[in-house]
Amino acid sequence: KAGVTQTPRYLIKTRGQQVTLSCSPISGHRSVSWYQQTPGQGLQFLFEYFSETQRNKGNFPGRFSGRQFSNSRSEMNVSTLELGDSALYLCASSSHVAAGGPYNEQFFGPGTRLTVL
Amino acid sequence: KQEVTQIPAALSVPEGENLVLNCSFTDSAIYNLQWFRQDPGKGLTSLLLIQSSQREQTSGRLNASLDKSSGRSTLYIAASQPGDSATYLCAVQPENFNKFYFGSGTKLNVKP
Repeated sequence: KAGVTQTPRYLIKTRGQQVTLSCSPISGHRSVSWYQQTPGQGLQFLFEYFSETQRNKGNFPGRFSGRQFSNSRSEMNVSTLELGDSALYLCASSSHVAAGGPYNEQFFGPGTRLTVL
Repeated sequence: KQEVTQIPAALSVPEGENLVLNCSFTDSAIYNLQWFRQDPGKGLTSLLLIQSSQREQTSGRLNASLDKSSGRSTLYIAASQPGDSATYLCAVQPENFNKFYFGSGTKLNVKP
């Protein structure tokens, strides 16, 4: 079974631009979560999608948004990029999950390294 | 809000040693706890998932235990090898929420 894939792997943007990142979950997984990882803040939850619906959202500004398609692939978008948005963006997929229910094991993709200049 | 702490932040050991990594969390109302490893610049690799009703899980040289009431988990690595060098992260899923809270990780260096 193919793992979680993320594209692109690396991105360089300038302040004020916008960016779209893509995540394809493991086949059959319907839950996709996004995380931001920085040296200072560690791993922080952005949002989670299940069956095209956002079920949970972390404490990030509205510049961060996402969506999920009917094939469970997900995209996240960051508008009006700031220097502080430079980070590794990771997505994870899981085979479960009822709303508010326990996950089965989460599997992560390799991440997209975003650099904002 | 759930807070997850990992001690120590870094650990350097000679090859062959058995070692223990610690993870503590402030709210015991969790569904499960998952341990990951992360190699530099890479994504997370799942090691073990312990559900709240379980006490421990084993995979090869790895054994993870969970004491939900005291808010603690340990990851035991037997006979460490240089290939075990990585950052180890623990994450907890609170009850009724579809998200994980992560610790800041323990960076392990196993010297040949």
